[in-house]
Amino acid sequence: DAMVIQNPRYQVTQFGKPVTLSCSQTLNHNVMYWYQQKSSQAPKLLFHYYDKDFNNEADTPDNFQSRRPNTSFCFLDIRSPGLGDAAMYLCATSSERGAGGPRTQYFGPGTRLLVL
Amino acid sequence: AQSVTQLDSHVSVSEGTPVLLRCNYSSSYSPSLFWYVQHPNKGLQLLLKYTSAATLVKGINGFEAEFKKSETSFHLTKPSAHMSDAAEYFCVVRTNSGGYQKVTFGTGTKLQVIP
Repeated sequence: DAMVIQNPRYQVTQFGKPVTLSCSQTLNHNVMYWYQQKSSQAPKLLFHYYDKDFNNEADTPDNFQSRRPNTSFCFLDIRSPGLGDAAMYLCATSSERGAGGPRTQYFGPGTRLLVL
Repeated sequence: AQSVTQLDSHVSVSEGTPVLLRCNYSSSYSPSLFWYVQHPNKGLQLLLKYTSAATLVKGINGFEAEFKKSETSFHLTKPSAHMSDAAEYFCVVRTNSGGYQKVTFGTGTKLQVIP
């Protein structure tokens, strides 16, 4: 089945130690998104790639970076994780080719990040 | 500017009774509107979406929502609640402008279903 895959499901890192979260998709969607969701809060969009174009949200900390080496993969890099970065990180994709408004976003299961 | 207001942070209903989860939005552009459900420690699942076609939208699991432009609302309803409906529900507004995707989530409504 076509899907959005996130690995690992749980990630433990140390304070200040760089960590990378992975997302892959078999949907061939041209847009990929990264969200941060803290406990009992709504998902917050960090950034998205529209094809190869990177779009950063204005309030996303510089500590968060992203790479999209090809259509299928997108990575979230946290350069120096702090305790406040512990959260669920959700990857999503959508196909925005052609005319019309925004299409459905398909979400992965998320990676829960724990910072020790 | 774009915003989403989910008027109730918690809703509690008895099993078998109707469900109403309220959502109001504002957007400078013609938006697409979505409802997602999230069960504990799970990802987000699409319930339904409005994208400028029929204003009454039917989704999965018996949910539906009506887009009312004059009221800037997109309330989610279900005639009869089931225990498995207990979860958190998010209303989402999205617009695109020259390829830039603007996404705004509501703060969520936790639905409790009482047996």
